[in-house]
Amino acid sequence: EADIYQTPRYLVIGTGKKITLECSQTMGHDKMYWYQQDPGMELHLIHYSYGVNSTEKGDLSSESTVSRIRTEHFPLTLESARPSHTSQYLCASSERAGSREKLFFGSGTQLSVL
Amino acid sequence: EDQVTQSPEALRLQEGESSSLNCSYTVSGLRGLFWYRQDPGKGPEFLFTLYSAGEEKEKERLKATLTKKESFLHITAPKPEDSATYLCAVRRNYGGSQGNLIFGKGTKLSVKP
Repeated sequence: EADIYQTPRYLVIGTGKKITLECSQTMGHDKMYWYQQDPGMELHLIHYSYGVNSTEKGDLSSESTVSRIRTEHFPLTLESARPSHTSQYLCASSERAGSREKLFFGSGTQLSVL
Repeated sequence: EDQVTQSPEALRLQEGESSSLNCSYTVSGLRGLFWYRQDPGKGPEFLFTLYSAGEEKEKERLKATLTKKESFLHITAPKPEDSATYLCAVRRNYGGSQGNLIFGKGTKLSVKP
């Protein structure tokens, strides 16, 4: 069973607030990812990291930022939330094993911006 | 443009009624095709990885197959607990961001007792 945790599970906030979505994994995985998923739509990669002090933008443009100061922790921050940011955010991790790497996902954070 | 298309969007089966889910892909250089299961309110859970045409993988009532253009997830004698959304994803033969997974929209499977 994957040991990757996301908090909070649900978040309802007002426009303009700064928020941080937390993601932690205890598997010692180097690679970590943030995906955005809307109902009935594909998962879209918004950020990923190869390891400590590494952050990269994904395929989908996002106003969020990420940091990777510790291997196990990969938080996502929105400086000023807007209704267009309403979505489910999924964190994942994997070992750096080339094409055979498989992703382990957290349970997600459902964000609603009013 | 690299693309992953899953069909049908939704599938309703009676318990014990076998069927197949389809994942067709167009990518330049396939480095792996992945199947995940996603339950409501949860993140996707890994099921299978396939790497070359002709490859097959099995797990309980599920069997995944791969051709050069598509993959099938066969469900034999499904049970209500198999109800979930099944996601297909491919990894392209590129470096950097291009090497990350592209997901399809999924097939929502409902199995009635």
